[in-house]
Amino acid sequence: AQSVTQLDSQVPVFEEAPVELRCNYSSSVSVYLFWYVQYPNQGLQLLLKYLSGSTLVKGINGFEAEFNKSQTSFHLRKPSVHISDTAEYFCAVSPQYNAGGTSYGKLTFGQGTILTVHP
Amino acid sequence: EAQVTQNPRYLITVTGKKLTVTCSQNMNHEYMSWYRQDPGLGLRQIYYSMNVEVTDKGDVPEGYKVSRKEKRNFPLILESPSPNQTSLYFCASGPRGGEAFFGQGTRLTVV
Repeated sequence: AQSVTQLDSQVPVFEEAPVELRCNYSSSVSVYLFWYVQYPNQGLQLLLKYLSGSTLVKGINGFEAEFNKSQTSFHLRKPSVHISDTAEYFCAVSPQYNAGGTSYGKLTFGQGTILTVHP
Repeated sequence: EAQVTQNPRYLITVTGKKLTVTCSQNMNHEYMSWYRQDPGLGLRQIYYSMNVEVTDKGDVPEGYKVSRKEKRNFPLILESPSPNQTSLYFCASGPRGGEAFFGQGTRLTVV
């Protein structure tokens, strides 16, 4: 079984300030990790993904995330946010293979973090 | 243009009236899935399919049916909708081991 916890439901920040959105997960098998963004009245768009290799992953719009296996975390960061970054952000995991009743392809999402950037 | 297309985008229906939400992808992806999004609960997976004729339950399958007769299509069927199925629904597709590409969503209201 898998679960994802996004530690902050809402994060307000001023424009040009740095931001970190926190994501912890638990899984009985190795996982792939993703961050998605949802702008108002739109579908979800992939920001970045970790499949293997370097634990620091860079995505679109200046976002990056670091996979920490020992802490089972995948926090999202941006050094300087813009008004246009205001959106809801979702962390998600999927198992790398079928094991122990956890099916490959089963994508599990966190509850979402609403990022609001103020001028 | 690579995309996942859902129809309809908006739907209001009455309790018990069967409905189908269609989903089609043009990226030749093996994997397709349906989610519902509710405030404070994030996205929850309803059903997913790893290939034609192969489907499996997600976290909240009760009250829903799916079929995968062709690789590109993955319709979601509500045989007897109830008000607790009022939600925003997303279809997604993706390659094996990769990310999911999402449709624009279907906002369903059951009265």
